[in-house]
Amino acid sequence: AQKVTQAQTEISVVEKEDVTLDCVYETRDTTYYLFWYKQPPSGELVFLIRRNSFDEQNEISGRYSWNFQKSTSSFNFTITASQVVDSAVYFCALSLTGGGNKLTFGTGTQLKVEL
Amino acid sequence: DSGVTQTPKHLITATGQRVTLRCSPRSGDLSVYWYQQSLDQGLQFLIHYYNGEERAKGNILERFSAQQFPDLHSELNLSSLELGDSALYFCASSARQGIDTIYFGEGSWLTVV
Repeated sequence: AQKVTQAQTEISVVEKEDVTLDCVYETRDTTYYLFWYKQPPSGELVFLIRRNSFDEQNEISGRYSWNFQKSTSSFNFTITASQVVDSAVYFCALSLTGGGNKLTFGTGTQLKVEL
Repeated sequence: DSGVTQTPKHLITATGQRVTLRCSPRSGDLSVYWYQQSLDQGLQFLIHYYNGEERAKGNILERFSAQQFPDLHSELNLSSLELGDSALYFCASSARQGIDTIYFGEGSWLTVV
């Protein structure tokens, strides 16, 4: 069975600080996909990134960056120079190739960015 | 805007009642998924349809049922509602049946009183 752990329940930072959200996953499959979604206070789930298990290259998109390390089964998400608009709950999720396209979500990390 | 449309956005109903949540996937997407988000269970996969056929079932109660119609829209029917069914119900869609990026709608907030 697969599992996603987001140990950080809530993180508070001051605007312009960098912040890293941790995600640790468990699976016995060798082929899988990892995702990050953002849930702002309005409630919708916004797709941020998808990464497959064969691609360990880090990715940067503007102020967002992701660090995927198979050796530690982690897929961490860093926001550089955080802004108030980054305040949201962030979910990490795992999908297995043999499981259709079912997403197993972590419990989420609530990020609060204050002025 | 993900392109996935869900109605209604908010719904309040009494225990024992039945409700139907409706979803229109993104244009061109053949897969539709339903997820439930509650405080105690988090985000849980309920069911997946691809081009009208059920493809996978998750933690979906027998009181709940879903279908995907020929025009690809989907409905989630919740019956004999209990207080514990209060949750945010998401519909999502993707282009393919297998691994693909899933785009979520804004959700339907269901409150059972």
